[in-house]
Order: sequence, then C-alpha cells, then structure tokens
Amino acid sequence: QKEVEQDPGPLSVPEGAIVSLNCTYSNSAFQYFMWYRQYSRKGPELLMYTYSSGNKEDGRFTAQVDKSSKYISLFIRDSQPSDSATYLCAMSIGNTPLVFGKGTRLSVIA
Amino acid sequence: SQTIHQWPATLVQPVGSPLSLECTVEGTSNPNLYWYRQAAGRGLQLLFYSVGIGQISSEVPQNLSASRPQDRQFILSSKKLLLSDSGFYLCAWSGQGYADTQYFGPGTRLTVL
Repeated sequence: QKEVEQDPGPLSVPEGAIVSLNCTYSNSAFQYFMWYRQYSRKGPELLMYTYSSGNKEDGRFTAQVDKSSKYISLFIRDSQPSDSATYLCAMSIGNTPLVFGKGTRLSVIA
Repeated sequence: SQTIHQWPATLVQPVGSPLSLECTVEGTSNPNLYWYRQAAGRGLQLLFYSVGIGQISSEVPQNLSASRPQDRQFILSSKKLLLSDSGFYLCAWSGQGYADTQYFGPGTRLTVL
C-alpha cells in the first residue's frame, strides 16, 4: 500500500462547477498537509497548507483534513478554465521530507 | 522575497554524455534544498535533499549525484546519462523544518536521446 493515494484523473468539469479533489494516506503520523497546483511544464506552486483537522478556506479554495479517516480534500468553488492544472497533495510527519501524491489532472471547460 | 532559479530550462543530451543542472536560491539563508524528477505521467520522485553545505541525502540509488558547494546552491550531476534519465527536474527549497512548505523552481526539461 502506497503512503499517499491520489486518483490521477483526468477530471473534466464545466466552468462554474464545484470541484472535489481527494487524497488518502496510510501513515497516521502525518501532521502537515499541503496542496500544490502545477500548470503544464511549470514547477508546482503552493495553494494551501494546514496542520489540523477541519477546514481552511482561501478564496475559492477550501482544504479539508479528516485525520480519523486519513483523508484530505481540496474543494474549488466556481471553477474557472484557469484552474485547469494538475493538483498534488503532499504531507509530512514533521521530521522527514514531504510525501507527494501522484497528482490529479483537472480540466475546466468553458 | 525569496526566489529560486534553475538552469538550463531545457536540455537535449545524447546517451552517455555528462549532466550538470544548477539551482540557486535568493533571499533566504540555510535552506533545505531538494531535487525531484517528474517523469511523464508519473508523480514527483525525490532524488536528493540537503540540510546544509556538503550534507546530501540520497533517496534513490542511480547514476545521478548531487552537491551543495554553497549555502544556496544545489547541483545535480551525472557522468553518463541513460535514456531513463529523461524527465522534468525540479529543485525546491524549504525552511529548516521538514514540515515547512516547499517552494519549487521553474524546472529543467531533460531529453536524453
């Protein structure tokens, strides 16, 4: 079983839809959770960072962590074509490098 | 503010040739530095990370090596490239704690022919 599982997609949605991206993990010691967005042929950029269970909101983006279920989600409201990218989840136990999911490719169709 | 640079942006090399990719960070001191490879359709593979000058940890045994000659400089090298070395190479930095968020450079696209 891999430490972090993420559905690779591709996921295709119409503009304005709510998008839900998810990762599951097996190591209950993970404490820090991040979401990165990667446009084609670019380096990943940090979107969200959280270290506790619950929700964290930033504009159209909401990160959700459920440590009891070992499950994290990223919600995108009112999705735009500019949101089309690959989204990677990442997590850490705090004293080792981040562990990344393989990424979910999202296409938002105008 | 902090900035991370990588060069070259693209590279086409024949099999068996040497490789040197460079990464530099500005605006921070004593960062943790990382090299990743991202092959087509695959996730990020951590190759090396460094917590200080001359301190390199290797995650994947292969024909690549890394060096950190200065605090904010990280170099990825190979003496002889293989076809399987093709991919998108990303450098990243973070603060001193591993839980600190990582910030990625623009990447180098390497094609080995």
